Amino acid sequence: GQQVMQIPQYQHVQEGEDFTTYCNSSTTLSNIQWYKQRPGGHPVFLIQLVKSGEVKKQKRLTFQFGEAKKNSSLHITATQTTDVGTYFCAGDLTGTASKLTFGTGTRLQVTL
Amino acid sequence: KAGVTQTPRYLIKTRGQQVTLSCSPISGHRSVSWYQQTPGQGLQFLFEYFSETQRNKGNFPGRFSGRQFSNSRSEMNVSTLELGDSALYLCASSLVLAGGGEQFFGPGTRLTVL
Repeated sequence: GQQVMQIPQYQHVQEGEDFTTYCNSSTTLSNIQWYKQRPGGHPVFLIQLVKSGEVKKQKRLTFQFGEAKKNSSLHITATQTTDVGTYFCAGDLTGTASKLTFGTGTRLQVTL
Repeated sequence: KAGVTQTPRYLIKTRGQQVTLSCSPISGHRSVSWYQQTPGQGLQFLFEYFSETQRNKGNFPGRFSGRQFSNSRSEMNVSTLELGDSALYLCASSLVLAGGGEQFFGPGTRLTVL
């Protein structure tokens, strides 16, 4: 079964509001990757986090990797309509650097 | 640099038939991973190939198989199709193994099984 869960499943925000999605793994991850998939599109890589407690920023996006390397979050400040899509986290649960397990995804809808 | 290409983009088959999907990775990428995406199950890992060797396999029945050629192009095959195999099949390529770095996804093949 799915071993990487994300919450919430869906969030609808007004443009300008903040958004956060949380990713939780049943096992310790060697690293975690985040992807964004626009409606009708394919997943596009956003970032990879490797170190415990790591925080990385990309413009309005902030990514965090938990101290225990079992959870991660993506925070978007002041959402825009271009942020619409589904955000997935993905991790290697096997420690083999192969077989990425994707999270359940969080679908973000942004309206004016 | 050309992106990941997948052929065909759309496919309609009937139950019991078999299907072969193709994926051409970005030039220089040696890893190709395959995923099945459905509304109910999300993105499920099928298998990963690196330098023609299958490195890992997901929890799918033996009807799902794949291979990788010396030029890194990959194919996946599904035999004895079932209605539940209807999905978007995505392949992704990367320089290193999938768990180690950025994966570049292709546009996918949408398979419908009637």
